[in-house]
Amino acid sequence: GENVEQHPSTLSVQEGDSAVIKCTYSDSASNYFPWYKQELGKGPQLIIDIRSNVGEKKDQRIAVTLNKTAKHFSLHITETQPEDSAVYFCAASRRNNNDMRFGAGTRLTVKP
Amino acid sequence: EPEVTQTPSHQVTQMGQEVILRCVPISNHLYFYWYRQILGQKVEFLVSFYNNEISEKSEIFDDQFSVERPDGSNFTLKIRSTKLEDSAMYFCASSADVAGEQFFGPGTRLTVL
Repeated sequence: GENVEQHPSTLSVQEGDSAVIKCTYSDSASNYFPWYKQELGKGPQLIIDIRSNVGEKKDQRIAVTLNKTAKHFSLHITETQPEDSAVYFCAASRRNNNDMRFGAGTRLTVKP
Repeated sequence: EPEVTQTPSHQVTQMGQEVILRCVPISNHLYFYWYRQILGQKVEFLVSFYNNEISEKSEIFDDQFSVERPDGSNFTLKIRSTKLEDSAMYFCASSADVAGEQFFGPGTRLTVL
């Protein structure tokens, strides 16, 4: 089955700096790659997603890149703010949402 | 803004007991999911449900687990005979269509003693 690896497990940046989180996946048939933000005591919340027919997607300060050949995708957050501090999860699935496999998570801390 | 709700927020049970975790998905959504997250570990897919049937299930979702949509609003996860290793946060999610965004509930923390 699909295996998703995520790095780093923790990331600390200064406010205003950029943060990059990387994931690799194993199943070449995976075609949907969402990123979730989880704040303390809450469920994961989708922040951006990408499908395998595109290489990059951007939404304001957040961007995701996908390299299908290398089977890796990355989350980029620019101009980080303290409210970006949370745990971020990448995920991958085939057939859209079914059987989605998550990475282990990255705890991002943005220091003011 | 519509949201997924889950009850209870925390459930404590004895090993071997049955538990039912309840979820109310967003009202016009058709696809429903359960995930679990053992403390400090990754979120794991358990099962997806559509049209009153299981669409997909993971290797974790064995005979001890079952799901049901008993009425038009609730979606439940039952664990028949809980084990210590079932202690985790259980998240319900729903989406409007199979390719749509999944909205997660706040989770139920299950503690098996």
